[in-house]
Amino acid sequence: DAKTTQPNSMESNEEEPVHLPCNHSTISGTDYIHWYRQLPSQGPEYVIHGLTSNVNNRMASLAIAEDRKSSTLILHRATLRDAAVYYCILRHTGTASKLTFGTGTRLQVTL
Amino acid sequence: DAGVTQSPTHLIKTRGQQVTLRCSPKSGHDTVSWYQQALGQGPQFIFQYYEEEERQRGNFPDRFSGHQFPNYSSELNVNALLLGDSALYLCASSLRSPSYNEQFFGPGTRLTVL
Repeated sequence: DAKTTQPNSMESNEEEPVHLPCNHSTISGTDYIHWYRQLPSQGPEYVIHGLTSNVNNRMASLAIAEDRKSSTLILHRATLRDAAVYYCILRHTGTASKLTFGTGTRLQVTL
Repeated sequence: DAGVTQSPTHLIKTRGQQVTLRCSPKSGHDTVSWYQQALGQGPQFIFQYYEEEERQRGNFPDRFSGHQFPNYSSELNVNALLLGDSALYLCASSLRSPSYNEQFFGPGTRLTVL
């Protein structure tokens, strides 16, 4: 499985944008970039995914570098409820293949 | 619509015992995956079931086994428990369809081995 690298932790103030980076220099052409987050005492939850183009949904935006070797998850206005561990995962296209989690980025949001 | 449910919530066992954890997938989902999450780590893939068969397996010993029932629910069995098996066990459900990308996770079962 291709590897991802994320900072261990980041901090943000409430209502400010947050940019969570992820490096994946060994990504293959058939790997999708997925982001999940895990709130305290809960299972992970899907945030967003993309292949080549930038993606937006109600939770976040995903910006993918032109060479696909890095990506950035953007939370437009962080709230206290966004405090979680954010995982960047490469997933092979096709059937419901496994998710390979790293250690993720722990996001702290303060008032 | 109930999401993924798991039982029990917490469990305490002693070394050498056996344990069975249960998972009901989100309505309409046909594929169940199990993950082990040690404290401070990301979840690690154990195995995945579809059509009542194990389809993919992670790097776990055969003390870890599973089953999927015709109603798509699933069990995870762990034999000869070790202290290192203490972890949060997560179940995730999805659809087998290649166009379906999202996995839904349950809240997990916290297993403590003494």
